[in-house]
Amino acid sequence: GAGVSQSPSNKVTEKGKDVELRCDPISGHTALYWYRQSLGQGLEFLIYFQGNSAPDKSGLPSDRFSAERTGGSVSTLTIQRTQQEDSAVYLCASSLADIPSYEQYFGPGTRLTVT
Amino acid sequence: GENVEQHPSTLSVQEGDSAVIKCTYSDSASNYFPWYKQELGKRPQLIIDIRSNVGEKKDQRIAVTLNKTAKHFSLHITETQPEDSAVYFCAASREESQGNLIFGKGTKLSVKP
Repeated sequence: GAGVSQSPSNKVTEKGKDVELRCDPISGHTALYWYRQSLGQGLEFLIYFQGNSAPDKSGLPSDRFSAERTGGSVSTLTIQRTQQEDSAVYLCASSLADIPSYEQYFGPGTRLTVT
Repeated sequence: GENVEQHPSTLSVQEGDSAVIKCTYSDSASNYFPWYKQELGKRPQLIIDIRSNVGEKKDQRIAVTLNKTAKHFSLHITETQPEDSAVYFCAASREESQGNLIFGKGTKLSVKP
């Protein structure tokens, strides 16, 4: 079946511009996670959604970052007034539920470059 | 909250040798420890996991060991092959809790033919 998809695959933007990154989770998966992976760094947790519950935003690095999930499916991560340090690969993952032992299925990521 | 440290950050071995990656965690209540593998240019994928009720788990050439007292767990790869070259991430969490996994910073494993 279809896996997690993300778009765009690559995004180059100028410093100060806003960007939107999209994630389509696996159908039926109620949990959706966003991670940031900088060059040579690990998987930095940003935010996760579980069903209709309020999202856990504890990993968002600043108020320039926000995310929403419409209809319990597609999610959009928005970065306002982008900075060069925002350059990274942004990964989305989904799982059947927000239980840690449920495997997280990752998307291919969006490579963001801020010039 | 949980904190996961992973070592080494890079590891280079000859094909056929063994590789060991170690992680330590801070939350003594953590009881679920998965390992994800990310090949170059690809997405991370779960390769093996262990729960705190066992000390070791094997899957062909891969094994994980857990020392709850010392709060560390390790990934062991035997008879390494070039296709084992990847970045490996460990993680820790409380299985019964809702929430996200806490990942280590990753180990880049290079297997030289």
